[in-house]
Amino acid sequence: EDQVTQSPEALRLQEGESSSLNCSYTVSGLRGLFWYRQDPGKGPEFLFTLYSAGEEKEKERLKATLTKKESFLHITAPKPEDSATYLCAVSGANSKLTFGKGITLSVRP
Amino acid sequence: GAGVSQSPRYKVAKRGQDVALRCDPISGHVSLFWYQQALGQGPEFLTYFQNEAQLDKSGLPSDRFFAERPEGSVSTLKIQRTQQEDSAVYLCASSLPMWGHEQYFGPGTRLTVT
Repeated sequence: EDQVTQSPEALRLQEGESSSLNCSYTVSGLRGLFWYRQDPGKGPEFLFTLYSAGEEKEKERLKATLTKKESFLHITAPKPEDSATYLCAVSGANSKLTFGKGITLSVRP
Repeated sequence: GAGVSQSPRYKVAKRGQDVALRCDPISGHVSLFWYQQALGQGPEFLTYFQNEAQLDKSGLPSDRFFAERPEGSVSTLKIQRTQQEDSAVYLCASSLPMWGHEQYFGPGTRLTVT
């Protein structure tokens, strides 16, 4: 059974204070690892897909990396508007996504 | 273009009532998924369609839950005889029919059973 564990559960940062969010996974035949952002009352918003160990993708202040067991979402010099819940998910032998519980990020001005 | 839309956005049902939740996927997306999200949790898979074929319904929690996509576009998730534990946000997502392709989510329907 595919499993995803995210840590920490919540993270409070000062504006400009860089940090990383962790996603540990076990999956049978990784088809893709996905990061989503979810704001209160909204559906998850797609950020990145990673397919193989060593792959990295960047978008503005966010950078996602992948190893065979973990993925990290690095946030550089965060701003208050980066406050949200960040979800990690894997797609394995079937097409469904298995999600972690999410990491709630708060960035104080 | 337009994203995934869902209706209604909010639904309050009395215990025992039947409800129907609608999803309009992105045009051209043949894969459609339903997820259930409890408060403070990540979404959990319910069921998956490719065109009109329901290929996986392993996540449906009971036989009170039923989903259909008769023409391969709009989908409806129906819950019969609602129970309090059915209260959650129901998310619909669509994607292109390729392994490992990203799924795009709608805003969700928040169901509250009283």
